[in-house]
Amino acid sequence: DTGVSQDPRHKITKRGQNVTFRCDPISEHNRLYWYRQTLGQGPEFLTYFQNEAQLEKSRLLSDRFSAERPKGSFSTLEIQRTEQGDSAMYLCASSSNRGLGETQYFGPGTRLLVL
Amino acid sequence: RKEVEQDPGPFNVPEGATVAFNCTYSNSASQSFFWYRQDCRKEPKLLMSVYSSGNEDGRFTAQLNRASQYISLLIRDSKLSDSATYLCVVIRYSGGSYIPTFGRGTSLIVHP
Repeated sequence: DTGVSQDPRHKITKRGQNVTFRCDPISEHNRLYWYRQTLGQGPEFLTYFQNEAQLEKSRLLSDRFSAERPKGSFSTLEIQRTEQGDSAMYLCASSSNRGLGETQYFGPGTRLLVL
Repeated sequence: RKEVEQDPGPFNVPEGATVAFNCTYSNSASQSFFWYRQDCRKEPKLLMSVYSSGNEDGRFTAQLNRASQYISLLIRDSKLSDSATYLCVVIRYSGGSYIPTFGRGTSLIVHP
């Protein structure tokens, strides 16, 4: 399967714990995006990378959220000191840099439940 | 006002019906537009891009109205398998960054 993959697919954690999610984009894609989606809402853009550079991070929900893409391939999203309100689906998408008319391909998501 | 707005529905239509969804956006600097389909508890999948001249893919037609700042999706001859949530996404550049904004989605239910 050469699509976007995410790991883990499900995560249950206790409030206050740190969690880290991984995203592996489609291999030839240089852009990678993170979104959060809650029930009944569309995906909410959090941040994106072009290669290893994080070009937009102002949409990260708080300073508890951080993302990295150290080698321009896979990316990680970390949430520190989780809160119950962080419970959501976290989606990753990738695309190639072909100007504005690019298509994002989504991974299956990581469903987070904070108890 | 939200940057991208969609009627959440649900739109409940019989098989064979024609149904249309709109998505309005508030930022006139928006430059790229897409429709995605999302099945329950699955990831969004691209349905089609939306071009200024309008575009068609089988039973699906997408149009862009820049003057009124909305995009539309028309589905003809609805199938049961079209039941899903349809998400619009609007993309703009801001300060050298690329900002995609999704609508909340419109739910479509096609019944026999």
